[in-house]
Amino acid sequence: SQQGEEDPQALSIQEGENATMNCSYKTSINNLQWYRQNSGRGLVHLILIRSNEREKHSGRLRVTLDTSKKSSSLLITASRAADTASYFCATGPKNTGFQKLVFGTGTRLLVSP
Amino acid sequence: GAVVSQHPSWVICKSGTSVKIECRSLDFQATTMFWYRQFPKQSLMLMATSNEGSKATYEQGVEKDKFLINHASLTLSTLTVTSAHPEDSSFYICSAFLNTEAFFGQGTRLTVV
Repeated sequence: SQQGEEDPQALSIQEGENATMNCSYKTSINNLQWYRQNSGRGLVHLILIRSNEREKHSGRLRVTLDTSKKSSSLLITASRAADTASYFCATGPKNTGFQKLVFGTGTRLLVSP
Repeated sequence: GAVVSQHPSWVICKSGTSVKIECRSLDFQATTMFWYRQFPKQSLMLMATSNEGSKATYEQGVEKDKFLINHASLTLSTLTVTSAHPEDSSFYICSAFLNTEAFFGQGTRLTVV
């Protein structure tokens, strides 16, 4: 399977703490994207990092990419209860074009007030 | 951002019947749309690529006669689950790209009884 792996599978933290999720993938990529999914809903795009970038910030989000290790991390700082959701990384493999996304297994984040 | 609308949000049908799910790009044109399937607490798996004006491309293991895809216009793709069985019960999500960013529909929860 081409599917990427994410860890941890589940993460439970208190409001104000930071949350770090890791993603590993298998093929050469054009870019890597992180998505958020609230229970039973569609996906919301959070951030895209290109294969030639190493780090990217957006608000309380920080994403890193290490193409030599085929891995990425998503850091959510100063978490809030509203951040409770599932988070998925998705890669656009080079050999299939960037649009054919391959999703990781996801991390379920629970932020308690 | 761009909007992709999926309808219905949920549907319950009897075994043996067919169900049609619509995916519309509301404010942009999409020559290609993607259909995913998601089982509870699992990741999204790409089922097929819907191509406007031509046949859909199915991923390995996805039955094309079971999951009929039609992309008759630049803003509409439909997925029809034919002769539905309880094992087809799942969450189905479509997406379309605008530039490099994927926008997802709200998803359709299909329950086959």
